[in-house]
Amino acid sequence: GEDVEQSLFLSVREGDSSVINCTYTDSSSTYLYWYKQEPGAGLQLLTYIFSNMDMKQDQRLTVLLNKKDKHLSLRIADTQTGDSAIYFCAEHYGQNFVFGPGTRLSVLP
Amino acid sequence: DTEVTQTPKHLVMGMTNKKSLKCEQHMGHRAMYWYKQKAKKPPELMFVYSYEKLSINESVPSRFSPECPNSSLLNLHLHALQPEDSALYLCASSQDRRNSPLHFGNGTRLTVT
Repeated sequence: GEDVEQSLFLSVREGDSSVINCTYTDSSSTYLYWYKQEPGAGLQLLTYIFSNMDMKQDQRLTVLLNKKDKHLSLRIADTQTGDSAIYFCAEHYGQNFVFGPGTRLSVLP
Repeated sequence: DTEVTQTPKHLVMGMTNKKSLKCEQHMGHRAMYWYKQKAKKPPELMFVYSYEKLSINESVPSRFSPECPNSSLLNLHLHALQPEDSALYLCASSQDRRNSPLHFGNGTRLTVT
């Protein structure tokens, strides 16, 4: 079956950049997504990228896609304490969305 | 604020109870989903409704019974649950197109005692 992998933890200092990485297996995925989940809440769509793009920027967020290596990354510039959350990478597979295990981002003051 | 509304936010039920989780969206989406999320894990797909018809059932036990009364509403009926069914239950919706992302509600935190 399809598989999405992420590193489980990341700690950064407030004001630094965070880079969260993801690898996926389905080469036919047309869209790849990043979701953010804060404690006690559902998943919030942050951004997504079409597979014929290699970069997408949206304010503090930059998504990079290396389709050859099936590698996706999310860069958060000027990371703030409010960015502390779990970040899920997901690929759209048929009618399902396959989620990675999530990366827990901790922002240290 | 989320555009997908789930009620109740929290639910505690015994193993012999019958309860229902409710989900509503007014974005005109034609696909609705139930996901189950255990602590520190990603969401796991349970059911998908497309145009009010059940299109995916991921081998979910029959003690979970979904219902889609119309394109805006999705219910999950619960009966004779087990303690291991305690989890966050998330509803989501999408346009049901290949390039359409999921929009999630804030979930119902279910505890089975």
